[in-house]
Formats: sequence, structure tokens, C-alpha cells
Amino acid sequence: GQNIDQPTEMTATEGAIVQINCTYQTSGFNGLFWYQQHAGEAPTFLSYNVLDGLEEKGRFSSFLSRSKGYSYLLLKELQMKDSASYLCAVLSGGSYIPTFGRGTSLIVHP
Amino acid sequence: GAGVSQSPSNKVTEKGKDVELRCDPISGHTALYWYRQSLGQGLEFLIYFQGNSAPDKSGLPSDRFSAERTGGSVSTLTIQRTQQEDSAVYLCASSQGASNTGELFFGEGSRLTVL
Repeated sequence: GQNIDQPTEMTATEGAIVQINCTYQTSGFNGLFWYQQHAGEAPTFLSYNVLDGLEEKGRFSSFLSRSKGYSYLLLKELQMKDSASYLCAVLSGGSYIPTFGRGTSLIVHP
Repeated sequence: GAGVSQSPSNKVTEKGKDVELRCDPISGHTALYWYRQSLGQGLEFLIYFQGNSAPDKSGLPSDRFSAERTGGSVSTLTIQRTQQEDSAVYLCASSQGASNTGELFFGEGSRLTVL
């Protein structure tokens, strides 16, 4: 089976930087996704990592270490609108179905 | 439409009744996924379609749940004899190919409440 762990909740201040971690254990590995979900809305795609390293996309970056079974999502220059749930999802080897973690609820305060 | 469309957005039903939830994926997307999300829980996989066939139904929680997809497009998730534990948001997603080639696009979900 698969095991994906993320913190349940995090708080941060507007303008700051926050790092949301995700650890996983899978049989084989075929990629890792990060999604953002505002309350009552559809999850929206943020990033996809399949190779080790950092992928930067504007204020958001995602990092992957396959040997450690570890990823993080880095959000810079936080804005109030970044308050949302952040979902880590993993594709195990040979699967087409992402398995999602429980998500991290991020609260950004002034 | 431009995105994944789901209906109804909200459904309240009585225990024991059947419900149908509909998903209209993005035109041309061959892969379609159903997940459900309960309060405070992650997305729980239900079923995956590639075209009209469902190579993976492993997530369906019981034989009360079934899904079909016709014409490689619209999909319907049917829950028979609903139970209170079926209450959740049912999310549909589509992608151009299998998810390991690209992102999933989600609909806004159908919120099911079983009284």
C-alpha cells in the first residue's frame, strides 16, 4: 500500500515564506503532484515532480527527493488568498491513479 | 464548457434512496477519475476510466456503488440504497491521457448528504 503524510494545519504571516512537507512510502514511484484547494472549490494543479530537485513556478516551488521519499511545497511572499488546503498526491510505479494525502490546511494571517 | 462540470452540485437524500451523480469532462480528455472527499479526510479514489472502460474499480467501497462512461465522455456514478456514511463530496477529474503524463482537472464536486 501507500502511506502519505502531511501536517494537518499550518499558520503563517502575510508576506512570509512557508514550507509544507510531504513524506511518502510507495512501492515504486512515478511522480508527485501538489494541488491547491480553496474551501468549497475544486482542487487546482500546482506542480508535478518526477525527478529530484527543485521546480520553481513564480511564488511557488516544489522539491523532490526520491531517495528520502520526501517533497515540499514552498510558498513565498504569502498573500491572504493563499489560505487554502494543499494536497500532496503520489503516483506509485505502474499506476495511473494519484493517491492523495489528507492535505495541509494553511491559514495566512495579517 | 471549458472545465469539468458536475451535477448536481448539492444533493440531499433519504437513507435507502438511490442517487446518480454526473460528470462532464473536458472535451477530448480520455481519462476520467472519481474521488470522494469527507470532512477532514483526503481524496479517496473510487474508479478510473480510460475511454469507456474502467481498468481500475478497486476503490468502489461496496457493490452499492457503480459507474459508467459512455461515448468516451460523460460519466455517471450511481449509489444504490444510500447510507449515512455515503455523505461526502464526490469529485470528478479528467486528464488528456493517464495522470502520469499530465495534470488532473477537477470539477467542483457534488455534495451528497444522506439523512
